[in-house]
Amino acid sequence: GENVEQHPSTLSVQEGDSAVIKCTYSDSASNYFPWYKQELGKRPQLIIDIRSNVGEKKDQRIAVTLNKTAKHFSLHITETQPEDSAVYFCAASSGSARQLTFGSGTQLTVLP
Amino acid sequence: DVKVTQSSRYLVKRTGEKVFLECVQDMDHENMFWYRQDPGLGLRLIYFSYDVKMKEKGDIPEGYSVSREKKERFSLILESASTNQTSMYLCASSPTSGGNTDTQYFGPGTRLTVL
Repeated sequence: GENVEQHPSTLSVQEGDSAVIKCTYSDSASNYFPWYKQELGKRPQLIIDIRSNVGEKKDQRIAVTLNKTAKHFSLHITETQPEDSAVYFCAASSGSARQLTFGSGTQLTVLP
Repeated sequence: DVKVTQSSRYLVKRTGEKVFLECVQDMDHENMFWYRQDPGLGLRLIYFSYDVKMKEKGDIPEGYSVSREKKERFSLILESASTNQTSMYLCASSPTSGGNTDTQYFGPGTRLTVL
């Protein structure tokens, strides 16, 4: 089955700096890669996703890049703000019901 | 707006009890999922269903079963709760057609403690 590895497990940045979180996956058949943000005590919420026919996608301060050859994808957050502090999960989708395999999560802390 | 609800936010049970966790979604989604979330392990898939009365094992199905009698409702059952099942349980649903295919929408979670 699919295996997704996520790094780093914790990340601290100064407000205004950029943050990068990286994930690798094992199943070359996976073709959908979402990123979820989970604030303390809340449910995971989708912030951006990318499909395998696209190399990069941007939404304001957030971008995701995908390298299918190397089987890795990354989340980039620019001009970080304190409200970006949360746990971020990457995932890869495969299978009949498009089940997701999640990475272990990255605790991002943005220091004021 | 997609809404996924779970029957309880917090639940405390004793070892050996039978536990039911309920999940309801109001968006007519075909797919429903149960995960458990533990620190440092991310979200791990327990069971999923892609249709009424259909169920498939995920990565960690041992000690759990599920039921899907109606499209909008997906239940997770712990036949005999054990302390190692203390965890946060998250339900999710996703459509198989439309613009948001594959996107999973999560419920608020149930924090289960087994004593």
